[in-house]
Amino acid sequence: DVKVTQSSRYLVKRTGEKVFLECVQDMDHENMFWYRQDPGLGLRLIYFSYDVKMKEKGDIPEGYSVSREKKERFSLILESASTNQTSMYLCASSLSLAGGRETQYFGPGTRLLVL
Amino acid sequence: RKEVEQDPGPFNVPEGATVAFNCTYSNSASQSFFWYRQDCRKEPKLLMSVYSSGNEDGRFTAQLNRASQYISLLIRDSKLSDSATYLCVVNPRTGGFKTIFGAGTRLFVKA
Repeated sequence: DVKVTQSSRYLVKRTGEKVFLECVQDMDHENMFWYRQDPGLGLRLIYFSYDVKMKEKGDIPEGYSVSREKKERFSLILESASTNQTSMYLCASSLSLAGGRETQYFGPGTRLLVL
Repeated sequence: RKEVEQDPGPFNVPEGATVAFNCTYSNSASQSFFWYRQDCRKEPKLLMSVYSSGNEDGRFTAQLNRASQYISLLIRDSKLSDSATYLCVVNPRTGGFKTIFGAGTRLFVKA
């Protein structure tokens, strides 16, 4: 079974704090993703990585950065947390398959509240 | 226009009912299509891929209409355990990574 774990299920931070969200997958997947999920908006892609030390911006990268130093680990960093970054953050991983048919496997999510 | 649009629902149906969800997508070059299921306060999980010829998995049937750019999910003989949010997912390019998720359709199945 693919397992994707996230460092925290719930997190409360103050405005301006630097926040680190960690994600680890155990299936040697090339691709890793960070999404945020908000009511009525669905999942929105923040950043993704298709290889170690590689990263690509998603649809809403502003205010975020990422790090992928090892294949199994993908970190999301909020440089200076703001209240509009209160959200559910979901990490996912996948293999690379032809035709874009890869399944994404998600971690349990981190609910972040920024006060 | 959103790239992937779904009726948000909620759909409230009795046990045993048949329910259908539709989803439209805007990029005609989209390559791959999926339905994911998300239980309350849980992560999304793949329910089924959607193939051009349509495909069935037990009580679930998925269909793709490329000409009209929509995909559908039919659930027959609904169970209480089918209550969840169903996410329509489109991969807009071959081998691409920027999978687009719909906002989801909420289903409540009642006894």
